[in-house]
Amino acid sequence: DAKTTQPPSMDCAEGRAANLPCNHSTISGNEYVYWYRQIHSQGPQYIIHGLKNNETNEMASLIITEDRKSSTLILPHATLRDTAVYYCIVRVDWRTGRRALTFGSGTRLQVQP
Amino acid sequence: SQTIHQWPATLVQPVGSPLSLECTVEGTSNPNLYWYRQAAGRGLQLLFYSVGIGQISSEVPQNLSASRPQDRQFILSSKKLLLSDSGFYLCAWSVSRGNSRTDTQYFGPGTRLTVL
Repeated sequence: DAKTTQPPSMDCAEGRAANLPCNHSTISGNEYVYWYRQIHSQGPQYIIHGLKNNETNEMASLIITEDRKSSTLILPHATLRDTAVYYCIVRVDWRTGRRALTFGSGTRLQVQP
Repeated sequence: SQTIHQWPATLVQPVGSPLSLECTVEGTSNPNLYWYRQAAGRGLQLLFYSVGIGQISSEVPQNLSASRPQDRQFILSSKKLLLSDSGFYLCAWSVSRGNSRTDTQYFGPGTRLTVL
């Protein structure tokens, strides 16, 4: 799976949009971009994933650049409960048999009141 | 909707004692099930996964074992715990659909195991 690069930490004011960047310059055509987050002492929570097109769900939006070498996770109105470590990962087609999720060090997002 | 349960939430065990962690999934059938360990400073490590009852694949050799006695139940066991078994154990599930090239894994709340 392609490696990802994320800033180690970010701050965001409560109520403002949080934009979390991720670089994945070695991504290949059959690899998906996934975002998870982990609040302290809890299991990782799935947020969103995409292949080429931008995606939106009730939690966040995912913007993938046209060359797919980077992406941005957007939390439109951050709350204190969004304080967590956010992981951007790239996953190959599951049919290759590679099942493991591999988290890097992620971005620690601190939402400030 | 689907939910995943793990118990116990926390566990403190002496070295050499046995271990049994349980994971159950509700609201879906024939899920893929996973056991991960997250040790401090060492990221997420896949230990076992299962695509069906009685079908277990081991990702790393160690003194742990896994079993899937029912469709939505996954158990992680050890006969004798080591100090190095301490960590945060996570169960996850996914559903592989034939027309989809990706399967999203959803995690449970985890069990924090301390071996003394």
